This record gives sequence, C-alpha cells and structure tokens, in this order.
Amino acid sequence: AQSVTQPDIHITVSEGASLELRCNYSYGATPYLFWYVQSPGQGLQLLLKYFSGDTLVQGIKGFEAEFKRSQSSFNLRKPSVHWSDAAEYFCAVGISNFGNEKLTFGTGTRLTIIP
Amino acid sequence: NAGVTQTPKFQVLKTGQSMTLQCAQDMNHNSMYWYRQDPGMGLRLIYYSASEGTTDKGEVPNGYNVSRLNKREFSLRLESAAPSQTSVYFCASRPRNQNTGELFFGEGSRLTVL
Repeated sequence: AQSVTQPDIHITVSEGASLELRCNYSYGATPYLFWYVQSPGQGLQLLLKYFSGDTLVQGIKGFEAEFKRSQSSFNLRKPSVHWSDAAEYFCAVGISNFGNEKLTFGTGTRLTIIP
Repeated sequence: NAGVTQTPKFQVLKTGQSMTLQCAQDMNHNSMYWYRQDPGMGLRLIYYSASEGTTDKGEVPNGYNVSRLNKREFSLRLESAAPSQTSVYFCASRPRNQNTGELFFGEGSRLTVL
C-alpha cells in the first residue's frame, strides 16, 4: 500500500523568504502525486499534481514541485512567500492505474508567515 | 456553482446518539468520498463510492455507515457516537473518467461527541 510522509509538522517563514515543504512517498510503481492547501476553516484545494513527463510541475499561487524518483520525494517550493500563504499543506499519493479511486494523504505541514 | 455542500457545518452530540452527515455535489461527479481529519493524523478515508449504487470501506470505517442515495448525494451515518469520533469530516467528489485524481472538497463538518 502507498504511504506519504511529511516530516515537518510546523514551519515558520518570514514574508518574502523562500519556502520548501518536504514530502516523501512509498509506492512500488509510478505514483500520482498531489499537493493540496487548506486555509483555516476551509476544505482542501488542489495546488498542483504530477502524473508523468516533466518532473518540475507548476501550480497555482506561484507554487512548484519537483518529482525525484531516486529520492521518492515530491517537495513543494515557492520563491517568495506572502502572508496569504499561511495555511496547512498536504501531500498526497494516488495509485497509478486507471480508476485512481483513492488518495492517501500525509499528516500535513502547517505554515506560519511572520512579518 | 455550489460544488460540494456538506450539512451540518457544526454538531455536538452526546455519547450514544446517532446522526447523519449529508453531502451533495452538483458537478455530475461519479465518485464520492468521506474523510475525517484529526490533528497530527492528516486526512483518513472512511468510505468511498466509486459510482451510484456502490460503496467501499476505506482506512477507518468502524463505527460508520454510508449511503449513496443517488449520483448527487452521499451520506455518512454514526449509529452510536463515541468521543473518538470527534473530528472534522470532509466530503469530496471526483469525475470517474478523469484519470487525474483531483478531489473536490466540501468545507467540512465539525463534530464534537461529549
């Protein structure tokens, strides 16, 4: 079965600084990988996804992520964070065959932005 | 465009009481899901329905039942609530033929069991 590890429970970053959130997955075949963001009191919103092809994927709100098969990682990055990026971020992995009925989520990383 | 709508948004129950969380989507999606979110645990899948008329257990199904009433609606029932079921519950949906895995989430239902 697939699994996802987000090793950082909480990260604090200054506004304008760069950001990297870590995600490691475990799955025997090529995974489908996702990053979701959850603002306080809201549901989850998709930031970006990787299925195949270019290992650097661009998402909404200026985020990007890089798939590294050799490291089983899919880290999320942003060059310069804004106060509105404060939220909880979830990495998720899906099975890589048609149907893709279930996603397995990591435990999340809470991002705090300081002025 | 409402997307995924969950009701109620907040509920307080006493141990042993029953209740049903309602979920409806207006995007003509085939698959629907119920997740629970707990601090430090992320989101865990309770039940899902790949299409109308079918339901399957997820990671943490014990203490819950579901009904896929029609294509739009997928309800989650707690027959005898326990304090361990205090959580935030999210409903999500996805078009079945979309092989992208993106889920569309509701805003959540916060349940407290005393």
